[in-house]
Amino acid sequence: DAGVTQSPTHLIKTRGQQVTLRCSPISGHKSVSWYQQVLGQGPQFIFQYYEKEERGRGNFPDRFSARQFPNYSSELNVNALLLGDSALYLCASSIGQFMNTEAFFGQGTRLTVV
Amino acid sequence: QQQVKQSPQSLIVQKGGISIINCAYENTAFDYFPWYQQFPGKGPALLIAIRPDVSEKKEGRFTISFNKSAKQFSLHIMDSQPGDSATYFCAATLSGSARQLTFGSGTQLTVLP
Repeated sequence: DAGVTQSPTHLIKTRGQQVTLRCSPISGHKSVSWYQQVLGQGPQFIFQYYEKEERGRGNFPDRFSARQFPNYSSELNVNALLLGDSALYLCASSIGQFMNTEAFFGQGTRLTVV
Repeated sequence: QQQVKQSPQSLIVQKGGISIINCAYENTAFDYFPWYQQFPGKGPALLIAIRPDVSEKKEGRFTISFNKSAKQFSLHIMDSQPGDSATYFCAATLSGSARQLTFGSGTQLTVLP
């Protein structure tokens, strides 16, 4: 079985541009969460989607948005990129809507903003 | 109040030794405490997790010790191996609304051969 897959693996963008990151959860998993991991720090929660609805949002500006599709895959969009948005963006999937069961992370998308 | 504080930032252990990483929290509403292992270029992978109704959980060489009154929990890696060299994160979720993981800042473990 395939794990959580994220695309692209690496991305370089210029300040002010927009970016879309993609995530496919493990088959049968209905919950997708997004995390931002700045170098040398722990992941920070951005969004959680369950059954195509936003169920949680972290302390990130409105430049960050996401959505979940009927097949449970998800996209994370970031507008008006800043240098500080450079990070590893992680997607996690779980069967249910709560993270107190096993959550599986993808390898992440490394975003560099120049 | 939703922070999880992790120490040390880095740890160097000889092969066969015991690695100990500590975490502390303030919010007593946290009720699930997982540990994740992350290798360079990879996403975090769940190692072991504990709930506050038990004081210890062991899986192979990995043990979580949990002290509810002190609001602390720790990861012990017995017989540490060079392959254990990675970054370790503690995390927690809130009871009743476990929709997000709150991570510690990470510990970079190096096991010398």
